[in-house]
Amino acid sequence: DAGVIQSPRHEVTEMGQEVTLRCKPISGHNSLFWYRQTMMRGLELLIYFNNNVPIDDSGMPEDRFSAKMPNASFSTLKIQPSEPRDSAVYFCASSFRGGNQPQHFGDGTRLSIL
Amino acid sequence: GENVEQHPSTLSVQEGDSAVIKCTYSDSASNYFPWYKQELGKGPQLIIDIRSNVGEKKDQRIAVTLNKTAKHFSLHITETQPEDSAVYFCAASTGDSSYKLIFGSGTRLLVRP
Repeated sequence: DAGVIQSPRHEVTEMGQEVTLRCKPISGHNSLFWYRQTMMRGLELLIYFNNNVPIDDSGMPEDRFSAKMPNASFSTLKIQPSEPRDSAVYFCASSFRGGNQPQHFGDGTRLSIL
Repeated sequence: GENVEQHPSTLSVQEGDSAVIKCTYSDSASNYFPWYKQELGKGPQLIIDIRSNVGEKKDQRIAVTLNKTAKHFSLHITETQPEDSAVYFCAASTGDSSYKLIFGSGTRLLVRP
C-alpha cells in the first residue's frame, strides 16, 4: 500500500522566493496534518484538515504560510515570501479519522532557505 | 499549555539488552498515546499506540505501559537489535482537541552490536 507521499524531498531556495510543498495522503484517509520539525522546537502541528476543510490553523506561524486541500488526495503548504528561519523539515501526515487515531507520516520535505 | 516530557534524551544499550523510554504528560484529559520511530532521513513511523482504557499493550518485542493516575507512559523494547537504533518519540493527544498530538522531545537509541 502506498503511504503518504510528499514532494519535493529536498528544496533549496533563496529568501524571498515562494515555496510550495505537496502532499498526497493515504487513500481513504479523511484527515490531513502538516507538521514542522526543527531541532529547537521539535515536531509542531501547523494545520489540520478534515474532509478537505481546514479545522485548526492555529499552528501556522505567520501569514506568510498558507495551506490548501482542493480535494481528498492532494494538499499544498505554501510559504511566500520565504525566510531563512523557515528552514526545517516539513511533514505531512494523514489518518482515517481525526481524533485519537493513528497518524501516518510521509518522509518529509527538507527545506533550506538561503 | 499541554506538555510531554521524555527521558532519556539518549540511550545506549548492548544488543540483546532491553531499552526503556519514559514519558510524562500534563493534560489529564489525554486518552491516546502513540509511539513513533524515526530513522535518518525518514518520517516518524508509528510503532505502537495505547488508549487510556488499557494499561499495557504488547507487539512482539515492543510493549507500552500507561499509568493514568501518575500521567506517565513508557516504551519497552526487549532483545534489542542494531536495526532498533533510531530516534523514538512519544506523543499524547490533547483533551480538548483530540486530533492534536503533543510530541516529546525524542530519545536517540543506539544499540551496540
